Amino acid sequence: SQTIHQWPATLVQPVGSPLSLECTVEGTSNPNLYWYRQAAGRGLQLLFYSVGIGQISSEVPQNLSASRPQDRQFILSSKKLLLSDSGFYLCAWSDGTDEKLFFGSGTQLSVL
Amino acid sequence: DQQVKQNSPSLSVQEGRISILNCDYTNSMFDYFLWYKKYPAEGPTFLISISSIKDKNEDGRFTVFLNKSAKHLSLHIVPSQPGDSAVYFCAASGVRGKLIFGQGTELSVKP
Repeated sequence: SQTIHQWPATLVQPVGSPLSLECTVEGTSNPNLYWYRQAAGRGLQLLFYSVGIGQISSEVPQNLSASRPQDRQFILSSKKLLLSDSGFYLCAWSDGTDEKLFFGSGTQLSVL
Repeated sequence: DQQVKQNSPSLSVQEGRISILNCDYTNSMFDYFLWYKKYPAEGPTFLISISSIKDKNEDGRFTVFLNKSAKHLSLHIVPSQPGDSAVYFCAASGVRGKLIFGQGTELSVKP
């Protein structure tokens, strides 16, 4: 069966520090991968998605970037965090045959 | 531009009664709709979906209704249970693999 791992679960970072969140999927090949963010009191906003290694599409301009160095690995990064980057970050995957997404357990990021 | 809207941020119902969660969308190109359930500090989990060629889909206590002319969908939970207390997100897709989510509705089912 397929599983998705996302870490860390919580992270507190100072403003201006770098960020690296990692997500890996097991039990499937060539998944579509996604990064979503849920800001406090708001819905889920799509940040990035990838349909293959090295292929990244950005949905909104922001202080973040994403990379997919391996088929089942998706990384969310920032060189310098802003206060507004705080939120709950979710990695998700789909098999590309339909729109159903499967989410990881999320990372609560607090930028202070 | 919020293409998927859940106008009720919260809903409280009594155990055993019906819960109705609503969702509106603006893009007539959306052709697939999903509901997700989310507990605090966890990722959302898929609940039920409906294609635009249908107007109803049922799975146990959960039923989703789609009214394309009104661009409206709703999730009915009957009977509601305390374990159903969570945030519910509706989502829509018009481009394969890209889901647009609403803001969520927090459901509280009281014993």
